[in-house]
Amino acid sequence: DAGVTQSPTHLIKTRGQQVTLRCSPKSGHDTVSWYQQALGQGPQFIFQYYEEEERQRGNFPDRFSGHQFPNYSSELNVNALLLGDSALYLCASSGRGNTEAFFGQGTRLTVV
Amino acid sequence: SQQGEEDPQALSIQEGENATMNCSYKTSINNLQWYRQNSGRGLVHLILIRSNEREKHSGRLRVTLDTSKKSSSLLITASRAADTASYFCATGNSGYSTLTFGKGTMLLVSP
Repeated sequence: DAGVTQSPTHLIKTRGQQVTLRCSPKSGHDTVSWYQQALGQGPQFIFQYYEEEERQRGNFPDRFSGHQFPNYSSELNVNALLLGDSALYLCASSGRGNTEAFFGQGTRLTVV
Repeated sequence: SQQGEEDPQALSIQEGENATMNCSYKTSINNLQWYRQNSGRGLVHLILIRSNEREKHSGRLRVTLDTSKKSSSLLITASRAADTASYFCATGNSGYSTLTFGKGTMLLVSP
């Protein structure tokens, strides 16, 4: 049983560019959450998708947007990249009625 | 914003010793979860304790929760070099499985 998978593993982008990160949830899970983890910090909640809708959102600007597909996979899009967007982006999935969240290995984004 | 605060920030012990990490949080919670992270990669779920539970065990792990003090502790017994990692507590305060993390404790276990 594959766990949560994220792609790509690493990414280098230039300021002002746009980036798309992808996540496939654990089999049987229908909820996907995205987190940003800066170096030396704990993960910060960006938003959560359920039934293809954004259900909850953390304190992140509109430059951060997402999407969930009918197969429950999800994308995180960041527009107009800033140097401060450099971080590890983590995707977590969870099942209905189950509050345990399982994380992928993350995508390391570097903005230069 | 960070909800939980882990203490200590860093802990260095010898193999075979016990490691205790503490977590304090600010608002009421539905559950509290502990995660391990190796070398800045993905988070591994260790244990979940619900707000109506006081203690939970899983292998060499023991977690306690004191909701009156808004605090939790994670005890790793008979530590091993492979336990070297960062440990995070995360609180869930809704039914939506979103989590609020602390800054973590870096644990170094020397052979």
